[in-house]
Order: sequence, then C-alpha cells, then structure tokens
Amino acid sequence: GDSVTQMEGPVTLSEEAFLTINCTYTATGYPSLFWYVQYPGEGLQLLLKATKADDKGSNKGFEATYRKETTSFHLEKGSVQVSDSAVYFCALTLYGNNRLAFGKGNQVVVIP
Amino acid sequence: GAVVSQHPSRVICKSGTSVKIECRSLDFQATTMFWYRQFPKQSLMLMATSNEGSKATYEQGVEKDKFLINHASLTLSTLTVTSAHPEDSSFYICSAREGPGLGDTEAFFGQGTRLTVV
Repeated sequence: GDSVTQMEGPVTLSEEAFLTINCTYTATGYPSLFWYVQYPGEGLQLLLKATKADDKGSNKGFEATYRKETTSFHLEKGSVQVSDSAVYFCALTLYGNNRLAFGKGNQVVVIP
Repeated sequence: GAVVSQHPSRVICKSGTSVKIECRSLDFQATTMFWYRQFPKQSLMLMATSNEGSKATYEQGVEKDKFLINHASLTLSTLTVTSAHPEDSSFYICSAREGPGLGDTEAFFGQGTRLTVV
C-alpha cells in the first residue's frame, strides 16, 4: 500500500544551523506530497506541498522538492530558529483519494 | 487557512464510561472528516472517514462499535469512545476537507484531544 518513511529519531540542532529531514514514499500512482508541522499543544498545519514531479514546495524558509526518480520529498531549511521547534510529518495522498498517509514524524529541537 | 475546532482538548474518564469528542469546521463546509489516533512517538493512524449524512468508513482493525462516529451536519462530526479502557488512552485528531476532497486539497486539522482513561 501507499506509505511514507521518515528518518528515525529526533533532530536536535543549534539556531541558524541547516536542517534536513528525509522523507521517501511508496505509492501505486502519482501522489501529491505534503509536509505538515505540529507545534507544541497545537494541531497539524500544512507547511508546504507539491503535486507533481519536480515541483518545489516552499513556505517560511522551508523547501522540499518532489523527486520522482528517488521517490523522495526531503524537507530543508537553511537557517533554523528556535521557533521552528516542532514535530514535522511527511504525508502523501493520491488524486481522487481523500486519505492522507503519514510518516512517523520527526521531533525537531532547535537550541539557542 | 480554514479553522477546525476540536473539543475537548483534554479529558480524563473512568474505565467503562463513554467519552464524546467534537470536531467542527468553523468557516467552511466539510463534506468529509477524518479521525486519527496518534500514539506517542508514532505517526497518525487513520481510524475512519466520515461523510456527512452517511455511515463512516472504518479502517481495518478499528472497532466500529467502540468508536462511534457521527457526521450529522456539514460542520460537525463526533467521535464517541464507548466503554473506554486504559488502552484507549491516546491522542485523537480530526481533520476536514472542503468539498469532495480531491487528492491535492488541503486538509485542516483540529488541535487534538488527549484522552486518559483511568
């Protein structure tokens, strides 16, 4: 079935460091890909999305490029801030399908 | 973006009792709502898909008689955990999509409900 795999474990880094969170997917068709962010005590919010191969989603300094050849959608930010501390989820859905499949999520902690 | 309100945010109940969680779309009509369960350090697991005016579609392994879902209007869906037990303790999250919910339509999420059964 359709699934998303995120790198294991929390990510701890210093302010202004470069952030990468890996995400790979398995899908029977051509999915739309998403990154959601969950700040402490809040619900999930859409961070960015890409709907076809080679699309780049971007928002709040975060970027992710839909790579069909490597079935990946890695999230990057060049210079993180303490306020970026949150849990980040990669997700996919297939066109015409309501359902979102989520990765396990990565806790990101940014230290001042 | 659109707002989905989930209530309560936290609830503690005694084993054997039932708990109702509400999910409301405040500024849009949600034809479809989804209920997820999130275990600690785990991903969101879809429990069921709820369509307004019809019976919910449950995922494999989810007991429909235990997790009752009602989607009586375009702005409200409820999840009732019946005869709750400690193993039902979890974080429950709802989400909603506007309209028929094509694959690239954004889903909006509630704040989640932390259920603790003692």
